[in-house]
Amino acid sequence: LAKTTQPISMDSYEGQEVNITCSHNNIATNDYITWYQQFPSQGPRFIIQGYKTKVTNEVASLFIPADRKSSTLSLPRVSLSDTAVYYCLVGDMGGFKTIFGAGTRLFVKA
Amino acid sequence: EPEVTQTPSHQVTQMGQEVILRCVPISNHLYFYWYRQILGQKVEFLVSFYNNEISEKSEIFDDQFSVERPDGSNFTLKIRSTKLEDSAMYFCASSGIVREKTQYFGPGTRLLVL
Repeated sequence: LAKTTQPISMDSYEGQEVNITCSHNNIATNDYITWYQQFPSQGPRFIIQGYKTKVTNEVASLFIPADRKSSTLSLPRVSLSDTAVYYCLVGDMGGFKTIFGAGTRLFVKA
Repeated sequence: EPEVTQTPSHQVTQMGQEVILRCVPISNHLYFYWYRQILGQKVEFLVSFYNNEISEKSEIFDDQFSVERPDGSNFTLKIRSTKLEDSAMYFCASSGIVREKTQYFGPGTRLLVL
């Protein structure tokens, strides 16, 4: 699986848009980019997944440039409940060793 | 929406005892995983399981660990002789057969070894 690099932490205020960027310079042709959210004492929760360009769902958007060496998770209008750790994972996740990095700890303030 | 479930939610055991953690993956999923997370640390992969056999395991998953799918719905993780350092949250996950194989995680079992 490709190694990923994310900021360790980010602060934001309620109502703001938050963008978390993940670098994955060694991404392989077959790799997907997947983001998870984790609250304390809970299992990681799938947020969004993409391969290229832009993906949007009811929770977030994922922007992937043409070279796919990075990706940006965009959370529109965050609330206090979005305070969590966000993980970027890159790879073909099925049947393989899945490596979680340290993630980005997002803290949303009132 | 289908969910991965895990039992028990909490387990306290004495060092050296055997524990079995149980998971019910999403019903049409074919890939199953176990992870652990020591308090304050990152999520660590233990093992993946497909077609009734282990497809990948980490260095953490030594001879003290085993996995089993005893029937069509359950997926279990057994720790034969628990150590203090096995205290952690244990998460089960499952994924389907679509190309992306997105993994869906259960709520976890908090294991405390005394």
